[in-house]
Amino acid sequence: DAGVIQSPRHEVTEMGQEVTLRCKPISGHNSLFWYRQTMMRGLELLIYFNNNVPIDDSGMPEDRFSAKMPNASFSTLKIQPSEPRDSAVYFCASSSAGAGSYEQYFGPGTRLTVT
Amino acid sequence: SQQGEEDPQALSIQEGENATMNCSYKTSINNLQWYRQNSGRGLVHLILIRSNEREKHSGRLRVTLDTSKKSSSLLITASRAADTASYFCATGGGSNYKLTFGKGTLLTVNP
Repeated sequence: DAGVIQSPRHEVTEMGQEVTLRCKPISGHNSLFWYRQTMMRGLELLIYFNNNVPIDDSGMPEDRFSAKMPNASFSTLKIQPSEPRDSAVYFCASSSAGAGSYEQYFGPGTRLTVT
Repeated sequence: SQQGEEDPQALSIQEGENATMNCSYKTSINNLQWYRQNSGRGLVHLILIRSNEREKHSGRLRVTLDTSKKSSSLLITASRAADTASYFCATGGGSNYKLTFGKGTLLTVNP
């Protein structure tokens, strides 16, 4: 299994531009999570999906952030317009909702720099 | 808000020594997990302990859980330079599979 795949690995953009981060979860996993990690705030859960449905988006910082999961094998996190304070590493993780399967598998992350 | 809080924030030891990291949390949980993050990489799951368990082992890892004190510890025995990483505890509750991570302990193992 290839694990969780994220693209791009690095993104540098200017303030005001739209940014789209992509994630392919592990095949067969039905929960998907988007996290943001910064030195100041640590690892924050932004949103998570179960069976492609957003269950909890309370961590999404503001309306500039949106996430979609059109099917079981793909999710996007979009920031529009981007701001310098959005600079962080964004992780996608997936897990299986089988009995007792709570562990999450993380992708390598996308390092976003907004100038 | 952060549920788990790791202690210490940073730990530096010599290769071969044992490393102990602690985690405290605030609300009731179903399970507690430990993850490792190498610099520039994603988190990797190490071990899960359920709320009805008190101790669990996996290789050189030993995890304890004290639900009365709302605390857990991760012990890495006979540490190696390759164990250098940040270690996070994460608490899970309910059936929604959502985890809440602490800010981590940065472990440095000097060769």
